[in-house]
Amino acid sequence: AQSVAQPEDQVNVAEGNPLTVKCTYSVSGNPYLFWYVQYPNRGLQFLLKYITGDNLVKGSYGFEAEFNKSQTSFHLKKPSALVSDSALYFCAVRVKDSNYQLIWGAGTKLIIKP
Amino acid sequence: SQTIHQWPATLVQPVGSPLSLECTVEGTSNPNLYWYRQAAGRGLQLLFYSVGIGQISSEVPQNLSASRPQDRQFILSSKKLLLSDSGFYLCAWSVPPAYEQYFGPGTRLTVT
Repeated sequence: AQSVAQPEDQVNVAEGNPLTVKCTYSVSGNPYLFWYVQYPNRGLQFLLKYITGDNLVKGSYGFEAEFNKSQTSFHLKKPSALVSDSALYFCAVRVKDSNYQLIWGAGTKLIIKP
Repeated sequence: SQTIHQWPATLVQPVGSPLSLECTVEGTSNPNLYWYRQAAGRGLQLLFYSVGIGQISSEVPQNLSASRPQDRQFILSSKKLLLSDSGFYLCAWSVPPAYEQYFGPGTRLTVT
């Protein structure tokens, strides 16, 4: 069965420090992986995706994600956190052989403290 | 550029009343359309998706229904709301072969 896991319910980081939000996946075939951010009472915003190619993917707002096939992970990273990065982050993976459906992680709340 | 609209933004409805939430997409053609529900500000539950006019797939059996009367219009309905229907409803679109979905601003529904 295909699945995606975000093992941390919440991540706390001091402003200016690097941040990592973890995501692991289980899929058959080549994974298509995505990261989204959600601010309170707003819709989700697409940050970045990995389809193929370079394992380090750069996205919006200075975020990047590293695809690691051997560890089946796709962790979201940022070198220097901002208070405004505080939000809910979702990892997603495509459902193979589907009508373009995504399977979503449970979400990780990121809190950046000044 | 593409935009997606949802309305209303917030809604308070009594148990047993009907529901109609609307979603429209601009700037693209033949999109896939999706309805999600998000409870307690966390996980997303896919309710319905549509790959074309009149084509609706339901993911979760419940008292909700969806319709797609036009290419870029997606409607979520209920004849009689339950307390458990409360939540944050999100509409999204994608255009194959891309998988990434783009979300509307959402509708906060409270059933009292």
